[in-house]
Formats: sequence, C-alpha cells, structure tokens
Amino acid sequence: KNEVEQSPQNLTAQEGEFITINCSYSVGISALHWLQQHPGGGIVSLFMLSSGKKKHGRLIATINIQEKHSSLHITASHPRDSAVYICAGTGGGADGLTFGKGTHLIIQP
Amino acid sequence: DGGITQSPKYLFRKEGQNVTLSCEQNLNHDAMYWYRQDPGQGLRLIYYSQIVNDFQKGDIAEGYSVSREKKESFPLTVTSAQKNPTAFYLCASSYIAEEDNEQFFGPGTRLTVL
Repeated sequence: KNEVEQSPQNLTAQEGEFITINCSYSVGISALHWLQQHPGGGIVSLFMLSSGKKKHGRLIATINIQEKHSSLHITASHPRDSAVYICAGTGGGADGLTFGKGTHLIIQP
Repeated sequence: DGGITQSPKYLFRKEGQNVTLSCEQNLNHDAMYWYRQDPGQGLRLIYYSQIVNDFQKGDIAEGYSVSREKKESFPLTVTSAQKNPTAFYLCASSYIAEEDNEQFFGPGTRLTVL
C-alpha cells in the first residue's frame, strides 16, 4: 500500500522567512503532488512532479527519486501563504492519490 | 470557465437517510474521484472512475455508492450503511495520461448528519 509521510505537522514563521515542508513516500509512488488548502476547504494544485524541480513564483518543489523524498519551499513568505500544504502521491495513470496529513503553516506579520 | 463544481456547499441530513452529493466537470477529463476528509487525517479515496459506466472502489468505499453515466458527472451517494458520514467531501478530476494526470479539485461539500 502506498504511504506518504509529511513533516512538520505545524509550522509558524515570521513574514519573510524561508519555509521548507518535507514529504517522504513509499515504493510504488511515481509522482508527487503538492496541494494547498485554505480555510473553507478548497484545494488548489500547486505542483505535480516525478523528477527534478519546478518553480512557480515564490514556490519551489523538488523531488529526489532515489531517496523517495520531496520538499516544498516558499521564499519570502507572506501572511497570505498561511494555509495547509498537502503532499500526495500516485502510482501513475488515473489511480487515486494517497495523501499526507498536511502541514498547517502560519506566517505571522 | 472550465472547472469542477460541487453542490451543495453545506448539507444537513438526518441519520438513516441516503444523500447524494453532486460533482460536475467541464474540463473534458476522463477520470473522476471522490475523497473524504476528516479532522486530523489526510484525505482518503472513496471511489474513482476512469471511464463512463466504470468505477473502482478506493480505500474506504463501504457505505458509499457512485455512478458514471456521463463523462461530466460523478455523483456520490452516502447511504445509511455509512457509520460515520459527517465529513468534508471533495471531488476531483484528471486526464488519464501518465505525463498529464494532475488532479483538479472541486470546492467540496461539508456533510453533517444529525
């Protein structure tokens, strides 16, 4: 069974700090998704990656296939980045995702 | 605008009643999914469908049923057999191609069973 472990569970930081959220996953997962969930529940897909690194604005996602590890980084963090960040893995194709429990991020002004 | 819609946003039902949650997408995606979210837990897969008139059970399918009569629609019925139905339900869709199967999520339906 696919498994995804995320850390930390909770993270509070000051505005401007560099943020890192980590995700480890089991054998059988070939692609990782990073998702953002705001209060109210709506989920936005940030990245999907199976190798290397992707960047979008202040967000950077990396994945190390050999170590089965992915990280989400936020540069120059801002209070509007406060949300729950979730990593989720898939074995490929159109199988459903296996989710981590999420990281609750709070950026204080 | 292309996207996924779920209705209603909030739903209240009495214990013992079946209830159907709606999910519609106009993204021309082949695959659709239903997930459940409980406080302190990750989302869990209930059912998914890769093609019309076909669907597969996920990790927690007991007490739920689905249908896929149209590509655009994937309604979820929470039956009276579901022991703890109060939760936040999310629908998602994606293409099937392995290089392009990013999932897009609906806004969710919060179901409360009284």
